[in-house]
Amino acid sequence: DAGVIQSPRHEVTEMGQEVTLRCKPISGHDYLFWYRQTMMRGLELLIYFNNNVPIDDSGMPEDRFSAKMPNASFSTLKIQPSEPRDSAVYFCASSTGTNEKLFFGSGTQLSVL
Amino acid sequence: AQSVTQLDSQVPVFEEAPVELRCNYSSSVSVYLFWYVQYPNQGLQLLLKYLSGSTLVKGINGFEAEFNKSQTSFHLRKPSVHISDTAEYFCAVTTSGTYKYIFGTGTRLKVLA
Repeated sequence: DAGVIQSPRHEVTEMGQEVTLRCKPISGHDYLFWYRQTMMRGLELLIYFNNNVPIDDSGMPEDRFSAKMPNASFSTLKIQPSEPRDSAVYFCASSTGTNEKLFFGSGTQLSVL
Repeated sequence: AQSVTQLDSQVPVFEEAPVELRCNYSSSVSVYLFWYVQYPNQGLQLLLKYLSGSTLVKGINGFEAEFNKSQTSFHLRKPSVHISDTAEYFCAVTTSGTYKYIFGTGTRLKVLA
């Protein structure tokens, strides 16, 4: 298996623009997580899905952020409009169930100018 | 709610010396504990996990950790480090029935020649 695949690897955009981050989880994994990593706050859980259904989005910072999982093999995290404080590395991870290890993608480095 | 504290943000150590990375957690219920490693420009990878049973857990790359319930700790150790162990290490906690993994702020291990 190719592992969790994220795209793009790097994204540079200007404030106010829409940004879409993409994730393909490992086939057969029922859980998908979106994390944000910054120097100041470390790794923060934004949202997670179970069987394509959002279960907990309490970590989503504000209404500018939205996430979807239209099918078992694809998820997006959208920021609209983007702001400089959104600059971070965004990770997608998947797992097979409770207390199982998370498989992380390589992340998307987002820079909002 | 659960929380994880990694007191050491950076730990420099000479090659072939032993190392201990500290992790303390807070929870009102039973926990499951994990250590992940992040190499530069990569996602996190699982080193080891404690779910139940023996309190001494062995992981990959010669690492081990000991769960101490009375001290609410899960410190990571390696008897002899290599240059290739230079990375950031994250402690994480979750509990039964939830899929919210809470990560510590990370400890940057730098192995010196």
